[in-house]
Amino acid sequence: QSALTQPASVSGSPGQSITISCTGTSSDIGGYNYVSWYQQHPGKAPKLMIYEVTNRPSGVSYRFSASKSGNTASLIISGLQAEDEADYYCSSYTSSSTFYVFGTGTKVTVL
Amino acid sequence: QVQLEESGPGLVKPSQTLSLTCTVSGDSLSSGGYYWSWIRQHPGRGLEWIGYIYYNGITYYSPSLKSRVAISLDTSKNQFSLKLSSMTAADTAMYYCARMASSGDYAGGPFGLDVWGQGTTVTVSS
Repeated sequence: QSALTQPASVSGSPGQSITISCTGTSSDIGGYNYVSWYQQHPGKAPKLMIYEVTNRPSGVSYRFSASKSGNTASLIISGLQAEDEADYYCSSYTSSSTFYVFGTGTKVTVL
Repeated sequence: QVQLEESGPGLVKPSQTLSLTCTVSGDSLSSGGYYWSWIRQHPGRGLEWIGYIYYNGITYYSPSLKSRVAISLDTSKNQFSLKLSSMTAADTAMYYCARMASSGDYAGGPFGLDVWGQGTTVTVSS
């Protein structure tokens, strides 16, 4: 089971919206609504931002939203802020023997 | 507030077995509902899921590590542990423990890792 595919980097100016894609297969993203997204600042543990494709845990800003179409999931950050600069990882349950797979990670830069 | 904390040696010699412990506070490992998981991150790289243990002792491991990994539970201490044998330089990484919901009845679930430890750095070197 290979990692889910994400763009290496995405950038945007403060106030703009950006979208991070995450592409998998019918065994993971395409087959189940079990996509999660994590934010990781340098030197910190990842933080759950989205689960079950679109759900935000308590305390996560409404500026973070997500969706899925076919084998590709997307994380949208609206009203980009300096504090959003971090690495972002998607993940999914997979019916393959791997059980759980992460994306390759995307570095978000706020210009 | 649920908290997880990893502990263990920061330096391991090649061919030795790594032993890490995750101490859980604010939740009970014996109450069910969550897969207690280990994840690692190689320097400057992405996340890699290692495996989990459920409250009843059922485990599941990544196929790429299955021959070398064992996760166990100590409910009396509210801890779960990772053992990774035959360590090599390729196992040098930050190791995290985390909680994963097993169903939609639980926080972040299913399959969201909603609580993480701060991580512990493990270096393999002689």
